[in-house]
Amino acid sequence: AQKITQTQPGMFVQEKEAVTLDCTYDTSDQSYGLFWYKQPSSGEMIFLIYQGSYDEQNATEGRYSLNFQKARKSANLVISASQLGDSAMYFCAMSPRFIMNRDDKIIFGKGTRLHILP
Amino acid sequence: DTEVTQTPKHLVMGMTNKKSLKCEQHMGHRAMYWYKQKAKKPPELMFVYSYEKLSINESVPSRFSPECPNSSLLNLHLHALQPEDSALYLCASSQEPGTGTTDTQYFGPGTRLTVL
Repeated sequence: AQKITQTQPGMFVQEKEAVTLDCTYDTSDQSYGLFWYKQPSSGEMIFLIYQGSYDEQNATEGRYSLNFQKARKSANLVISASQLGDSAMYFCAMSPRFIMNRDDKIIFGKGTRLHILP
Repeated sequence: DTEVTQTPKHLVMGMTNKKSLKCEQHMGHRAMYWYKQKAKKPPELMFVYSYEKLSINESVPSRFSPECPNSSLLNLHLHALQPEDSALYLCASSQEPGTGTTDTQYFGPGTRLTVL
């Protein structure tokens, strides 16, 4: 069975510091995708970044980068130069490459609540 | 443009009411999803539509009835709900399910539902 683990329920970080949000996963699939979503208090789930299991380079999108360590099954999100607007819940998620069957669907971790302090 | 819209933003209904949630995307995506999210929890999948056909129903009670009138629209019809159904309902869409590429899901802003 697939599983996503986010071990940090909450984090407090000073503005302008870099932040690392931890995510480990478990799957027997060889081909899968890893995602990070941001959910502010308004409720919208905002897609941040995607990493494919066969991608050799770590994904980057602006201030967001994904530290992908396949052997360790970890996919940590790094936010550089944090801003007050980064305060939100962050979800790590995983999806199989072939979504064909009932059990093949995106699964989410429990989330990490990030607080950026001025 | 990666926009998914949902209406209404907020909905308060009694247990005997019938109401509908609406979701729309104009990205040409062929898969659409309904999720339910309780406070401080991750989203839980309810339904998946693939090419306008219901492909996954996660054993959702029949008081929730999904409908996909066309490839851009997804509705969730609500009837005789319970107070425990109060939650944030999120709609999402993705490009092409089951084509061998991992599909990013794009979410709408959600509808906050309160059942009295």
